[in-house]
Amino acid sequence: EAGVTQSPTHLIKTRGQQATLRCSPISGHTSVYWYQQALGLGLQFLLWYDEGEERNRGNFPPRFSGRQFPNYSSELNVNALELEDSALYLCASSLASSSGGTDTQYFGPGTRLTVL
Amino acid sequence: AQSVTQPDIHITVSEGASLELRCNYSYGATPYLFWYVQSPGQGLQLLLKYFSGDTLVQGIKGFEAEFKRSQSSFNLRKPSVHWSDAAEYFCAVGAGGGYQKVTFGTGTKLQVIP
Repeated sequence: EAGVTQSPTHLIKTRGQQATLRCSPISGHTSVYWYQQALGLGLQFLLWYDEGEERNRGNFPPRFSGRQFPNYSSELNVNALELEDSALYLCASSLASSSGGTDTQYFGPGTRLTVL
Repeated sequence: AQSVTQPDIHITVSEGASLELRCNYSYGATPYLFWYVQSPGQGLQLLLKYFSGDTLVQGIKGFEAEFKRSQSSFNLRKPSVHWSDAAEYFCAVGAGGGYQKVTFGTGTKLQVIP
């Protein structure tokens, strides 16, 4: 079974540009999560999508946005890039939480975004 | 809101020695607890998880963790460490109740010396 995939592996942008990161979840998973892992800051929750809807977002400015497509893949967009946006962006997927619990998140390898 | 504390930023152990990584959580109800491992430049791999039942949980790669409600802890253990275990380890807590947000600790970096 294929795991979570992310593209591109590396992305280099300059300040002010826009970045688009992509994620394909494990087959059968409907929830997708985005995290930012900046050096020294641990994993910071960015966004959660389920069934095409944004369910929750972390404490990030509106220039971080995304969407989930009908096939459950997802895109993260970062507008007006700043130097401090340089980080590893991790995508995770899980089954939909129908039982009221917390389903296990499975992570992709990440996209390394460098802003110059 | 839930929170996770990993008090050890960096741990060094000798190959073959035992290992215990500490994790303390804060959450009002029964938590959903996870341990993940991250090799340099890679994504996170799930080692084990606790949702309910037996408080001693077995995971992959010979790891185990014990949920202790009285101490609000979920420490990760391995009886004999291998050089390939050198990585960063993250403890995480989930809120449950259909609310999917998972909070991660800041991680513990494990160095294994020959």
